[in-house]
Amino acid sequence: NAGVTQTPKFQVLKTGQSMTLQCAQDMNHEYMSWYRQDPGMGLRLIHYSVGAGITDQGEVPNGYNVSRSTTEDFPLRLLSAAPSQTSVYFCASSDPGETQYFGPGTRLLVL
Amino acid sequence: DAKTTQPNSMESNEEEPVHLPCNHSTISGTDYIHWYRQLPSQGPEYVIHGLTSNVNNRMASLAIAEDRKSSTLILHRATLRDAAVYYCILIRAGGTSYGKLTFGQGTILTVHP
Repeated sequence: NAGVTQTPKFQVLKTGQSMTLQCAQDMNHEYMSWYRQDPGMGLRLIHYSVGAGITDQGEVPNGYNVSRSTTEDFPLRLLSAAPSQTSVYFCASSDPGETQYFGPGTRLLVL
Repeated sequence: DAKTTQPNSMESNEEEPVHLPCNHSTISGTDYIHWYRQLPSQGPEYVIHGLTSNVNNRMASLAIAEDRKSSTLILHRATLRDAAVYYCILIRAGGTSYGKLTFGQGTILTVHP
């Protein structure tokens, strides 16, 4: 099992550009989540999904869109990048009632 | 969701035991106590969890107070690889809480050789 994979590992964007952060898991988990982590801070939930076709907002959803067309994939879209979105982004997956598995993260710099 | 309170930082020497405390005075009866840790430049990883009784696994032990208002993560023999940020998180049983963890700032554990 590859577990939770994220691409790209690093990305530099200019203000106003859009991009999609990819997340995939091969454990057939129902739950998938996106978090962001700013320097020296804990993780904050952006969006999450409890199954294919079902998504909901977390604590800091503004500026981000998600969709869940398959169980395996949960991409995060930045609509118009802003410097405030410079962060490390983590994707996670789990089964209901089970622990979460996190990906290695995507480091994003918005200039 | 109930909040947790942890010290900002702790230090230990290698091969000594480490006790990481967590206060959760507003915990509800269906809240599980989970511990995750985050090594430098990595995503968080699960350490241990419990409800009422003390728990042991290959990584650590979890001691839960009788009134459940506090808990302690115990690393029996700290190694340099245990240097990380440790997060104590409450997760309510049932519903979708497992998909949306609430992370505080955690405890930064420094292990000295």
